[in-house]
Amino acid sequence: NAGVTQTPKFRVLKTGQSMTLLCAQDMNHEYMYWYRQDPGMGLRLIHYSVGEGTTAKGEVPDGYNVSRLKKQNFLLGLESAAPSQTSVYFCASSPGTGWADTDTQYFGPGTRLTVL
Amino acid sequence: LAKTTQPISMDSYEGQEVNITCSHNNIATNDYITWYQQFPSQGPRFIIQGYKTKVTNEVASLFIPADRKSSTLSLPRVSLSDTAVYYCLVGERGSQGNLIFGKGTKLSVKP
Repeated sequence: NAGVTQTPKFRVLKTGQSMTLLCAQDMNHEYMYWYRQDPGMGLRLIHYSVGEGTTAKGEVPDGYNVSRLKKQNFLLGLESAAPSQTSVYFCASSPGTGWADTDTQYFGPGTRLTVL
Repeated sequence: LAKTTQPISMDSYEGQEVNITCSHNNIATNDYITWYQQFPSQGPRFIIQGYKTKVTNEVASLFIPADRKSSTLSLPRVSLSDTAVYYCLVGERGSQGNLIFGKGTKLSVKP
């Protein structure tokens, strides 16, 4: 199993450009998450999903959109990138309700995004 | 949401036992305590979770007193490879959108 993978690993954008970050998991997990981590800070939840076709806002959702069209994929979109969105983005997944390790989040390797 | 407070940083030497304490004074009845570890340039990794008393696995032990207002992550005989940031999270099981990663505790293990 590859676990949680993220594409791309690095990206540089200009202000106003758009892009989509892709997260894929092969563990058949129900829940998926997008976090951002700024230097010296903890992770902040952007959006999450508790199942295919469902999404919900986290702590810092503004400027981002997400979609979960397939259970294994969770996409994070930036419609008009801003320098304040320069960060490392982590995707995670967890099994979901009913599993012994329901809360265990498995993280991807991260995407380092720079917005100029 | 139960807020957590951890030391910003800790130093230790190889072979020592390290105890990292997390305060969560307003923990709710249904809340669990979970710890994650994050190495530089990597995503966090689950270490341990508990509700009360003591939990032990192959990596660490988690001590939770009866009032549950704090918890202590214990790492036995640390090595250089244990240098990482450790996060304490408190939340109800299944409350996926409410788990807060604070700034964590940066543990530096020296030779």
